[in-house]
Amino acid sequence: EMVMAQSPATLSVSPGEGATLSCRASQTVFINLAWYQQKPGQAPRLLIYGASTRLSGIPARFSGSGSGTEFTLSISGLQTEDFAVYYCQQYHTWPPAFGQGTTVQVK
Amino acid sequence: QVQLQESGPGLVKPSETLSLTCTVSGGSINPYYWSWIRQPPGKGLEWIGYLYYSGSTNYNPSLESRVTISVDTSKNQFSLNLSSVTAADTAVYYCARSFYGDFGPYHYWGQGTLVTVSS
Repeated sequence: EMVMAQSPATLSVSPGEGATLSCRASQTVFINLAWYQQKPGQAPRLLIYGASTRLSGIPARFSGSGSGTEFTLSISGLQTEDFAVYYCQQYHTWPPAFGQGTTVQVK
Repeated sequence: QVQLQESGPGLVKPSETLSLTCTVSGGSINPYYWSWIRQPPGKGLEWIGYLYYSGSTNYNPSLESRVTISVDTSKNQFSLNLSSVTAADTAVYYCARSFYGDFGPYHYWGQGTLVTVSS
């Protein structure tokens, strides 16, 4: 069964700075990788799919990269509303699996 | 704009069956894949299973023996039944629709409903 590992578990960043989040799959998922943002009390929000394609309406400061087993979500110039938990998810193989999440918090 | 809304009891007794319904508005059940995903308090996301509009299903092997997902196309609804629940099944349950394909990515989500398993 596919395991998705995210690092770090927590990232402390000052507003305006950049953040880099990592996601590693235990087997190749090619580019079948999505990133979600979740704020307290809310459902996850899809940001990126196909490893690097931003969903319509998602700000350009969010970018995804990678393929195979190593993926990165980069956030440039963090805004107040970007402090949240971020999850990666593979949808290449059954069952689909999420990482355990990275919390981006205010430094 | 597609909207999803979960409904069902917020409290279920141990060993009983958890039953939730997701009502889809602003779009049709056809021809998409519809999933249930859960999140225990303070923890990560777990995919439970999906239903295709035709009625075919696919479940997480960790839950497969206890899960049934069904559809009522006339009401634009699909449902989750999880039997023999324990405290470990306490979670926020989300219904979701994949953007394309069967296993995601998930573009549309319900707001989630907290189900607590307790006597």
